[in-house]
Amino acid sequence: EVQLLESGGDLVQPGGSLRLSCAASGFTFSNYAMSWVRQAPGKGLEWVSLITSGGDYTYYADSVKGRFTISRDNSKNTLYLQMNSLRAEDTAIYYCAKLHVSSFDYWGQGTLVTVSS
Amino acid sequence: EIVLTQSPGTLSLSPGESAALSCRASQSVSSTYLAWYQQKPGQAPRLLIYGTSSRATGIPDRFTGSGSGTDFTLTISRLEPEDFAMYYCQQYGSSKWTFGQGTKVEIK
Repeated sequence: EVQLLESGGDLVQPGGSLRLSCAASGFTFSNYAMSWVRQAPGKGLEWVSLITSGGDYTYYADSVKGRFTISRDNSKNTLYLQMNSLRAEDTAIYYCAKLHVSSFDYWGQGTLVTVSS
Repeated sequence: EIVLTQSPGTLSLSPGESAALSCRASQSVSSTYLAWYQQKPGQAPRLLIYGTSSRATGIPDRFTGSGSGTDFTLTISRLEPEDFAMYYCQQYGSSKWTFGQGTKVEIK
């Protein structure tokens, strides 16, 4: 059974940093690209970032480019999102998701990031 | 960046009725790269349809995806109580993934 378990969400002040993790199990993690998708309270889904299976290529939404860094450790079956220079508008539930063709077939339960003073 | 516009914003229907959800793209989307998701309150999204018309694992055949170019549709026939939820379309293009703003299917 595929499982994705996010952690690291917290309350952080504007301008602060946070690192999210996503522990994967139930599939060969190193064979799949992985992504982060977020959802602000009461709002829709917003794609944030994607990393290819080997970690060679990374892609970002314009809203986070230059502030967020996606990475992975295939030896630990873990995906990461380093978030710097956080803003109030980054407040959201952050989901990690497994890429299937060009869609996302498995999602974690999400971790809440709140940016507020 | 391709913008996806979903309509209607809310669909009020009764169980047993059929629902047609629209997703319109600001420019042409490859049929391979259009997907639909269902999300219920407090839950993560669930993939329903990928590649415009392929059902994901375990998705019942009352969910049907269709369309091409800039116009795509998710049809839900014979609505079951568990189908009342939020639905999002999603596309991939030019190394970006974008979602529509969602359509809420609510019980009338």
